[in-house]
Amino acid sequence: DIVMTQSPLSSPVTLGQPASISCRSSQSLVHSDGNTYLSWLQQRPGQPPRLLIYKISNRFSGVPDRFSGSGAGTDFTLKISRVEAEDVGVYYCMQATQFPYTFGQGTKLEIK
Amino acid sequence: EVQQVQSGAEVKKPGESLKISCKGSGYTFTSYWIGWVRQMPGRGLEWMGIIYPGDSDTRYSPSFQGQVTISADKSISTAYLQWSSLKASDTAMYYCARLTCRDGTCAFDYWGQGTLVTVSS
Repeated sequence: DIVMTQSPLSSPVTLGQPASISCRSSQSLVHSDGNTYLSWLQQRPGQPPRLLIYKISNRFSGVPDRFSGSGAGTDFTLKISRVEAEDVGVYYCMQATQFPYTFGQGTKLEIK
Repeated sequence: EVQQVQSGAEVKKPGESLKISCKGSGYTFTSYWIGWVRQMPGRGLEWMGIIYPGDSDTRYSPSFQGQVTISADKSISTAYLQWSSLKASDTAMYYCARLTCRDGTCAFDYWGQGTLVTVSS
């Protein structure tokens, strides 16, 4: 199985300041078709997960442009340019390149 | 509007069977995979498996193979997750989600609200 490792596991951030979450995979996420199936999800407290970013860097419908994704191969990053109160929650990366699909362990974003 | 609506919370005893559901609407149900994800209390997300309702092709995570059964009834646009004999360790929130794999992308884009399963004697 591909292991997804996120860091940090907890991130206290001041409102209005940037935040960054790293996700590393145990092997390359480049599929044999040339695509990289890495997505990011947000789970607010008491809510189901919500898709933020797909295919490394594409924002899903309705996602604010303060969220951005980048990376390649085995190293990926989710950035929030200016954290707002509604961004509190847990963020997960997920790979869909190889079965079984796997999630990172989650990064908890908190406000200082 | 694309939606995944899951069945309500369940409280069961160890050894009992259970089948929970996930109804898709607002899209062609037979053209997308549906996945199931487990979240144990206070823990992260675990991918259980997916099914393609168009032909019932199913893939399981090795961690869940043999422990659960994923199925779908395309006539009513509903996917299912079932257990034949529940254990206390099956206590968790279970989410279904639509998996969109096309145009170079593959991601869970629409999620159900979750079904809480509690197994206790």
